[in-house]
Amino acid sequence: DAKTTQPNSMESNEEEPVHLPCNHSTISGTDYIHWYRQLPSQGPEYVIHGLTSNVNNRMASLAIAEDRKSSTLILHRATLRDAAVYYCILRDDYKLSFGAGTTVTVRA
Amino acid sequence: NAGVMQNPRHLVRRRGQEARLRCSPMKGHSHVYWYRQLPEEGLKFMVYLQKENIIDESGMPKERFSAEFPKEGPSILRIQQVVRGDSAAYFCASSPDSPQETQYFGPGTRLLVL
Repeated sequence: DAKTTQPNSMESNEEEPVHLPCNHSTISGTDYIHWYRQLPSQGPEYVIHGLTSNVNNRMASLAIAEDRKSSTLILHRATLRDAAVYYCILRDDYKLSFGAGTTVTVRA
Repeated sequence: NAGVMQNPRHLVRRRGQEARLRCSPMKGHSHVYWYRQLPEEGLKFMVYLQKENIIDESGMPKERFSAEFPKEGPSILRIQQVVRGDSAAYFCASSPDSPQETQYFGPGTRLLVL
Protein backbone atom coordinates (compact mmCIF):
# COMPACT_ATOMS: atom_id res chain seq x y z
CA ASP A 1 0.00 0.00 0.00
CA ALA A 2 1.22 3.48 -0.78
CA LYS A 3 1.84 5.46 2.39
CA THR A 4 0.97 8.97 3.45
CA THR A 5 2.60 11.19 6.04
CA GLN A 6 0.62 13.79 7.98
CA PRO A 7 1.41 15.97 11.00
CA ASN A 8 0.00 14.57 14.22
CA SER A 9 -1.90 17.71 15.13
CA MET A 10 -2.77 21.25 14.08
CA GLU A 11 -4.50 24.11 15.82
CA SER A 12 -6.54 26.86 14.27
CA ASN A 13 -8.68 29.79 15.33
CA GLU A 14 -12.31 29.88 14.45
CA GLU A 15 -13.09 31.51 11.09
CA GLU A 16 -9.48 31.26 9.94
CA PRO A 17 -8.30 28.98 7.13
CA VAL A 18 -6.69 25.64 7.88
CA HIS A 19 -4.13 24.05 5.58
CA LEU A 20 -3.55 20.35 6.19
CA PRO A 21 -0.51 18.91 4.42
CA CYS A 22 -0.05 15.34 3.26
CA ASN A 23 3.08 13.80 1.77
CA HIS A 24 2.79 10.78 -0.50
CA SER A 25 6.11 10.46 -2.28
CA THR A 26 5.48 6.86 -3.43
CA ILE A 27 2.14 7.61 -5.07
CA SER A 28 1.45 5.67 -8.27
CA GLY A 29 -0.25 6.96 -11.38
CA THR A 30 -3.56 5.28 -10.58
CA ASP A 31 -3.81 6.37 -6.93
CA TYR A 32 -6.57 8.84 -6.11
CA ILE A 33 -6.00 11.14 -3.12
CA HIS A 34 -8.94 10.93 -0.72
CA TRP A 35 -9.63 12.88 2.44
CA TYR A 36 -11.96 11.76 5.18
CA ARG A 37 -12.53 13.20 8.63
CA GLN A 38 -13.77 11.61 11.79
CA LEU A 39 -15.52 13.62 14.45
CA PRO A 40 -15.43 12.28 18.02
CA SER A 41 -17.51 9.12 18.44
CA GLN A 42 -18.67 9.17 14.81
CA GLY A 43 -17.89 7.31 11.63
CA PRO A 44 -15.53 8.70 9.00
CA GLU A 45 -17.04 11.35 6.77
CA TYR A 46 -15.99 11.80 3.15
CA VAL A 47 -14.51 15.24 2.50
CA ILE A 48 -13.00 15.38 -0.98
CA HIS A 49 -10.87 13.49 -3.48
CA GLY A 50 -8.80 14.17 -6.59
CA LEU A 51 -6.33 12.68 -9.03
CA THR A 52 -4.25 15.43 -10.60
CA SER A 53 -6.18 18.69 -10.72
CA ASN A 54 -7.17 20.86 -7.78
CA VAL A 55 -10.71 20.20 -6.56
CA ASN A 56 -13.29 22.28 -4.73
CA ASN A 57 -16.53 21.37 -3.05
CA ARG A 58 -18.79 22.84 -0.40
CA MET A 59 -16.67 21.43 2.41
CA ALA A 60 -13.11 22.09 1.34
CA SER A 61 -10.53 22.48 -1.40
CA LEU A 62 -7.82 20.04 -2.38
CA ALA A 63 -4.58 21.35 -3.83
CA ILE A 64 -2.40 18.70 -5.49
CA ALA A 65 1.25 19.30 -6.27
CA GLU A 66 2.27 19.07 -9.90
CA ASP A 67 4.42 15.99 -9.23
CA ARG A 68 1.58 14.53 -7.08
CA LYS A 69 3.99 13.75 -4.26
CA SER A 70 2.09 15.98 -1.85
CA SER A 71 -1.29 17.58 -1.40
CA THR A 72 -3.01 20.05 0.91
CA LEU A 73 -6.55 20.03 2.22
CA ILE A 74 -7.84 23.55 2.75
CA LEU A 75 -10.71 24.40 5.07
CA HIS A 76 -11.47 27.98 4.15
CA ARG A 77 -13.09 29.15 7.39
CA ALA A 78 -12.73 26.79 10.31
CA THR A 79 -15.66 26.36 12.67
CA LEU A 80 -15.85 24.51 15.96
CA ARG A 81 -17.62 21.70 14.09
CA ASP A 82 -14.49 21.14 11.99
CA ALA A 83 -12.60 19.80 15.01
CA ALA A 84 -11.83 16.22 13.98
CA VAL A 85 -9.17 13.79 12.87
CA TYR A 86 -8.44 14.28 9.17
CA TYR A 87 -7.15 11.35 7.13
CA CYS A 88 -5.29 11.57 3.83
CA ILE A 89 -5.65 8.26 1.97
CA LEU A 90 -4.26 6.99 -1.31
CA ARG A 91 -6.72 4.74 -3.01
CA ASP A 92 -6.50 2.60 -6.14
CA ASP A 93 -9.05 0.00 -5.15
CA TYR A 94 -11.84 -0.43 -2.63
CA LYS A 95 -9.66 -0.81 0.47
CA LEU A 96 -9.34 2.43 2.38
CA SER A 97 -6.19 2.44 4.52
CA PHE A 98 -6.47 4.84 7.45
CA GLY A 99 -3.32 6.02 9.19
CA ALA A 100 -3.14 8.12 12.34
CA GLY A 101 -4.33 11.28 10.59
CA THR A 102 -4.06 14.88 11.77
CA THR A 103 -6.03 15.94 14.83
CA VAL A 104 -7.39 19.43 14.20
CA THR A 105 -8.29 21.61 17.16
CA VAL A 106 -10.29 24.79 16.58
CA ARG A 107 -10.11 27.56 19.16
CA ALA A 108 -13.13 29.78 19.66
CA ASN B 1 -32.16 10.28 1.96
CA ALA B 2 -31.05 8.26 4.96
CA GLY B 3 -27.38 7.51 5.33
CA VAL B 4 -25.76 4.24 6.29
CA MET B 5 -27.43 2.86 9.37
CA GLN B 6 -25.86 0.60 11.94
CA ASN B 7 -27.32 -1.05 14.97
CA PRO B 8 -26.90 -1.41 17.75
CA ARG B 9 -24.76 1.65 18.40
CA HIS B 10 -23.38 0.11 21.55
CA LEU B 11 -23.14 -3.57 22.41
CA VAL B 12 -21.87 -5.19 25.58
CA ARG B 13 -21.05 -8.89 25.62
CA ARG B 14 -19.38 -11.24 28.04
CA ARG B 15 -16.51 -13.43 26.93
CA GLY B 16 -17.76 -16.43 25.00
CA GLN B 17 -21.01 -14.83 23.82
CA GLU B 18 -21.90 -13.99 20.25
CA ALA B 19 -22.10 -10.49 18.81
CA ARG B 20 -24.23 -9.59 15.78
CA LEU B 21 -23.70 -6.22 14.16
CA ARG B 22 -26.09 -4.96 11.50
CA CYS B 23 -25.56 -2.54 8.67
CA SER B 24 -28.15 -1.11 6.28
CA PRO B 25 -26.44 0.59 3.33
CA MET B 26 -27.64 3.80 1.77
CA LYS B 27 -30.60 3.41 -0.55
CA GLY B 28 -29.44 2.22 -3.95
CA HIS B 29 -26.04 1.05 -2.71
CA SER B 30 -25.16 -2.56 -3.37
CA HIS B 31 -21.58 -2.64 -2.09
CA VAL B 32 -20.83 -2.95 1.64
CA TYR B 33 -17.53 -2.78 3.48
CA TRP B 34 -16.73 -3.46 7.12
CA TYR B 35 -13.87 -1.82 9.00
CA ARG B 36 -12.65 -2.21 12.57
CA GLN B 37 -11.07 0.48 14.73
CA LEU B 38 -9.23 -0.83 17.74
CA PRO B 39 -8.61 1.61 20.62
CA GLU B 40 -6.01 4.24 19.69
CA GLU B 41 -5.62 2.81 16.18
CA GLY B 42 -6.79 3.68 12.67
CA LEU B 43 -9.56 1.91 10.84
CA LYS B 44 -8.61 -1.39 9.22
CA PHE B 45 -10.43 -3.02 6.32
CA MET B 46 -12.12 -6.31 7.16
CA VAL B 47 -14.41 -7.44 4.35
CA TYR B 48 -16.12 -6.32 1.14
CA LEU B 49 -19.49 -7.75 0.14
CA GLN B 50 -22.01 -7.38 -2.64
CA LYS B 51 -25.51 -8.78 -2.45
CA GLU B 52 -25.21 -12.47 -1.55
CA ASN B 53 -21.47 -12.52 -2.30
CA ILE B 54 -18.29 -12.07 -0.31
CA ILE B 55 -15.83 -10.36 -2.63
CA ASP B 56 -12.81 -9.92 -0.35
CA GLU B 57 -12.47 -11.06 3.24
CA SER B 58 -8.71 -10.69 3.45
CA GLY B 59 -8.93 -8.43 6.51
CA MET B 60 -11.14 -10.74 8.55
CA PRO B 61 -9.65 -12.84 11.35
CA LYS B 62 -9.65 -16.46 10.20
CA GLU B 63 -11.68 -17.75 13.12
CA ARG B 64 -14.87 -16.63 14.86
CA PHE B 65 -15.66 -13.82 12.41
CA SER B 66 -18.10 -14.06 9.52
CA ALA B 67 -20.05 -11.64 7.37
CA GLU B 68 -23.02 -11.83 5.05
CA PHE B 69 -25.11 -9.53 2.90
CA PRO B 70 -28.31 -11.37 1.99
CA LYS B 71 -30.58 -10.57 -0.91
CA GLU B 72 -33.06 -9.03 1.50
CA GLY B 73 -32.15 -7.25 4.69
CA PRO B 74 -29.06 -5.73 6.22
CA SER B 75 -25.48 -6.90 6.14
CA ILE B 76 -24.47 -8.80 9.27
CA LEU B 77 -21.05 -9.04 10.89
CA ARG B 78 -21.04 -11.94 13.32
CA ILE B 79 -18.44 -12.57 15.98
CA GLN B 80 -18.68 -15.89 17.78
CA GLN B 81 -17.21 -16.58 21.23
CA VAL B 82 -16.07 -13.00 21.72
CA VAL B 83 -12.86 -12.22 23.58
CA ARG B 84 -11.71 -8.99 25.20
CA GLY B 85 -9.50 -8.22 22.21
CA ASP B 86 -12.61 -7.93 20.04
CA SER B 87 -13.58 -4.74 21.89
CA ALA B 88 -13.51 -2.07 19.21
CA ALA B 89 -15.62 0.18 17.04
CA TYR B 90 -16.94 -1.56 13.93
CA PHE B 91 -17.86 0.63 10.99
CA CYS B 92 -19.81 -0.22 7.91
CA ALA B 93 -19.55 1.72 4.65
CA SER B 94 -21.42 1.47 1.38
CA SER B 95 -20.93 2.60 -2.20
CA PRO B 96 -23.36 2.70 -5.12
CA ASP B 97 -22.54 0.98 -8.37
CA SER B 98 -18.87 0.08 -8.18
CA PRO B 99 -16.14 -0.31 -5.57
CA GLN B 100 -14.30 2.64 -7.15
CA GLU B 101 -16.97 5.05 -6.02
CA THR B 102 -16.94 6.99 -2.77
CA GLN B 103 -17.62 5.01 0.38
CA TYR B 104 -20.04 6.48 2.89
CA PHE B 105 -19.73 5.37 6.49
CA GLY B 106 -22.24 4.62 9.19
CA PRO B 107 -21.95 5.81 12.80
CA GLY B 108 -20.42 2.53 13.96
CA THR B 109 -21.13 -0.08 16.59
CA ARG B 110 -19.01 0.08 19.70
CA LEU B 111 -18.50 -3.41 21.07
CA LEU B 112 -17.32 -3.88 24.63
CA VAL B 113 -16.42 -7.37 25.80
CA LEU B 114 -16.38 -7.83 29.54
